[in-house]
Amino acid sequence: EIVLTQSPGTLSLSPGERATLSCRASQSVSSSSLAWYQQRPGQAPRLLIYGASARATGIPDRFSGSGSGTDFTLTISRLEPEDFAVYFCQQFSSSTYTFGQGTKLEIK
Amino acid sequence: QVQLVQSGAEVKKPGASVKVSCKASGYTFTRSYLHWVRQAPGQGPEWMGMVDPTSGNINYAQKLRGRVTMTRDTSTSTVYMELSSLRSEDTAVYYCAREPHPGAVRFDYWGQGTLVTVSS
Repeated sequence: EIVLTQSPGTLSLSPGERATLSCRASQSVSSSSLAWYQQRPGQAPRLLIYGASARATGIPDRFSGSGSGTDFTLTISRLEPEDFAVYFCQQFSSSTYTFGQGTKLEIK
Repeated sequence: QVQLVQSGAEVKKPGASVKVSCKASGYTFTRSYLHWVRQAPGQGPEWMGMVDPTSGNINYAQKLRGRVTMTRDTSTSTVYMELSSLRSEDTAVYYCAREPHPGAVRFDYWGQGTLVTVSS
């Protein structure tokens, strides 16, 4: 089973700043099988990015994804107040899905 | 609009079973796979398995095989997840989630979640 390790565990930034979140896989992952989600307290996860770099429907263009192989990145170009939440990466391989443990993005 | 509406919270004793439902609407039920994902307090999500509503084919996470059963009812566009031999570590919010088309390998709509608490 592929393990996804996200870093940092917590990221403290101010509105307007740029956020860079990392997701590292224990083995190479197909880019087409890598997704990112946002989760606010008490809510279900929300799909942001799929196929490593494609934005889901309705997702603002300040969110972007990149990477390949074992290293993937979610970038939020200019943080809005509603972006402070927890972010998870997810992959599919060998008929199994796994998620990272999450990065909490908090207001500095 | 696509909606996945789940059954309400449950409290169970260790060793018992729980069955959670997820009713889909707003799209053609047989065109998308439905998955179950759980999330223990303060943890990342954990994939549990999936149902193909068309064929009824199932794929369970290795860790849960033998304890989890997923079924579907095409007449009501509902999928069910039953987990048996519950233990405290099964305390979590359980979500159903839609994979928009076979091979999409992402979850674009999620249910509201069902809290299952296992406690003596």
